Amino acid sequence: KAGVTQTPRYLIKTRGQQVTLSCSPISGHRSVSWYQQTPGQGLQFLFEYFSETQRNKGNFPGRFSGRQFSNSRSEMNVSTLELGDSALYLCASTPGRSQETQYFGPGTRLLVL
Amino acid sequence: DQQVKQNSPSLSVQEGRISILNCDYTNSMFDYFLWYKKYPAEGPTFLISISSIKDKNEDGRFTVFLNKSAKHLSLHIVPSQPGDSAVYFCAACDSGTYKYIFGTGTRLKVLA
Repeated sequence: KAGVTQTPRYLIKTRGQQVTLSCSPISGHRSVSWYQQTPGQGLQFLFEYFSETQRNKGNFPGRFSGRQFSNSRSEMNVSTLELGDSALYLCASTPGRSQETQYFGPGTRLLVL
Repeated sequence: DQQVKQNSPSLSVQEGRISILNCDYTNSMFDYFLWYKKYPAEGPTFLISISSIKDKNEDGRFTVFLNKSAKHLSLHIVPSQPGDSAVYFCAACDSGTYKYIFGTGTRLKVLA
């Protein structure tokens, strides 16, 4: 099976712009979670989608949003970018049931100038 | 409120010796725990997991121990190899919410 894929891998934006990141889960996986990793920080949970519905949400401002499509692919959008949004954005997928392993994609490195 | 804590930011171990990475949690609802290894600019790679109904799980050189009363888990790597040098994250999951919480990571350096 192909692993989790994320596009683009690298992105440079300026303050005030918006950005959309994409994640394709492992085939058959219906849950997609998004995380932000900044230097010195762990993985901060953004949100989780299951069957096109947001099932969980972290403590990020409303500028961070997401959605999931019927084929389980997910997108994450950040509006009005700030310098502090520079980070590695990771997505992970599972089939969507309990006590499962999350499998991660390679991440999208976002740099906000 | 950091529900999952890895209090050692870094650890250095000689090749061939045991590496012990620790993780503490506060939420008693967590019932599934995982360890991941991460290299720079890559996504975390799953290593090993343990359910709360067990206190030990072993996979090759990797063993995870869970002490529910102390809300503590640890990852043992024996013998340590230079290729094990990476950042290790522990994660905890509450099956009722499907939410995974990660620690801040421990950077392991295995010296040849």
